[in-house]
Amino acid sequence: AQSVTQPDIHITVSEGASLELRCNYSYGATPYLFWYVQSPGQGLQLLLKYFSGDTLVQGIKGFEAEFKRSQSSFNLRKPSVHWSDAAEYFCAVGDLYGGGSNYKLTFGKGTLLTVNP
Amino acid sequence: ETGVTQSPTHLIKTRGQQVTLRCSSQSGHNTVSWYQQALGQGPQFIFQYYREEENGRGNFPPRFSGLQFPNYSSELNVNALELDDSALYLCASSAGFGYTFGSGTRLTVV
Repeated sequence: AQSVTQPDIHITVSEGASLELRCNYSYGATPYLFWYVQSPGQGLQLLLKYFSGDTLVQGIKGFEAEFKRSQSSFNLRKPSVHWSDAAEYFCAVGDLYGGGSNYKLTFGKGTLLTVNP
Repeated sequence: ETGVTQSPTHLIKTRGQQVTLRCSSQSGHNTVSWYQQALGQGPQFIFQYYREEENGRGNFPPRFSGLQFPNYSSELNVNALELDDSALYLCASSAGFGYTFGSGTRLTVV
């Protein structure tokens, strides 16, 4: 069965510092991969997604992620963190089912990002 | 700005009661999924509807049911509420390969 592991429950960085959030997945085929961000009490906002092609994916708010098949990883990066980036970040894998393009998302448990001034 | 609207934003129910949560998707989004997010956890897939038919279900009991309507709205119904049903319920809609999430309904069962 597919699974997603986010090894870091909580990360604290200083504003302006670089950021890398780790994500490892288990999936039998080429995965659809996603990063979402959730502010307190809010829904999920899509940061970026990987379906195929270039393994370095650019997203919104200056985020990028790199798909590494050999390491089953899809780590999220940002060169310079802003205070407004403080939130919870979820990595997810899209599990195709029933043929066609139907898929369900399997999420990791999330990484809480705190940004110090 | 999200194109998916959920109502209500919060509600409190008593164990054993029934609840209906509502979701209004963007026009043209004929796929809707529902997720349950317990406190401190990632969202878990409940089920998915495509053109008013359920076409996928996660590991949730039958007391979790849903409906999707032609006007791109949908409902999640939960019968015989249990304390463990307390969670944020998220609706997500899609017209293709990407899902747009609503802000969720926070359900508290007491």
